Amino acid sequence: ELVLTQSPATLSLSPGERATLSCRASQSFSSSVAWYQQKPGQAPRLLVYDASNRAPGIPARFSGSGSGTDFTLSISSLEPEDFGVYYCQQRTNWPSITFGQGTRLEIK
Amino acid sequence: DEQLVESGGGLVKPGGSLRLSCAASGFSFSNYDMKWVRQAPGKGLEWVSSIGVSGTHIYYADSVRGRFTISRDDAKNSLYLQMNSLRVEDTAVYYCARDRYYGSSHYFDLWGQGTLLTVSS
Repeated sequence: ELVLTQSPATLSLSPGERATLSCRASQSFSSSVAWYQQKPGQAPRLLVYDASNRAPGIPARFSGSGSGTDFTLSISSLEPEDFGVYYCQQRTNWPSITFGQGTRLEIK
Repeated sequence: DEQLVESGGGLVKPGGSLRLSCAASGFSFSNYDMKWVRQAPGKGLEWVSSIGVSGTHIYYADSVRGRFTISRDDAKNSLYLQMNSLRVEDTAVYYCARDRYYGSSHYFDLWGQGTLLTVSS
């Protein structure tokens, strides 16, 4: 069973700083990794797919990278609206879909 | 605008049943695989069930298999989740989500706002 471990659990940063979020898979399957953003009381929003491609309408300050078992979401210069919880997700062993436990990005 | 709106959540006693609905609008619902994803209070996201186009290719997470049934009515642009033998651990916000092919795989590109199911005596 695939496990996605996200780190850190909580990241406290100020607007304008760079954020780096990590997602580590227990096994190497593919680069079919997505990142989602969820704000309090809202549904998740797709940010990145296939590890490094921004979804339509997502600002360029969001970027994804990685392969194998290690994947990263970077936010180059934090805007106030970027704070929330971020989840990575991978589809493996069809039809199972696995999410990481989330990283909370909060205002410092 | 493309939209998914869930309904049907509420308070149910352990062992009870409930049916969730998800109304789609603004896109060709019948052309998409659909999913249910849940989020327990203060917890992360958990995939629950998937249904393919025309009601084919139905799958469930181990935690709900045999108790939950996913279905769709393309004439009504609606997705459903029939939940039986409910347990306290089924308490969660339930989201319906659209599955769309991007790049090399399928991802959730449109989500509803969710409906809360509380299972408690």
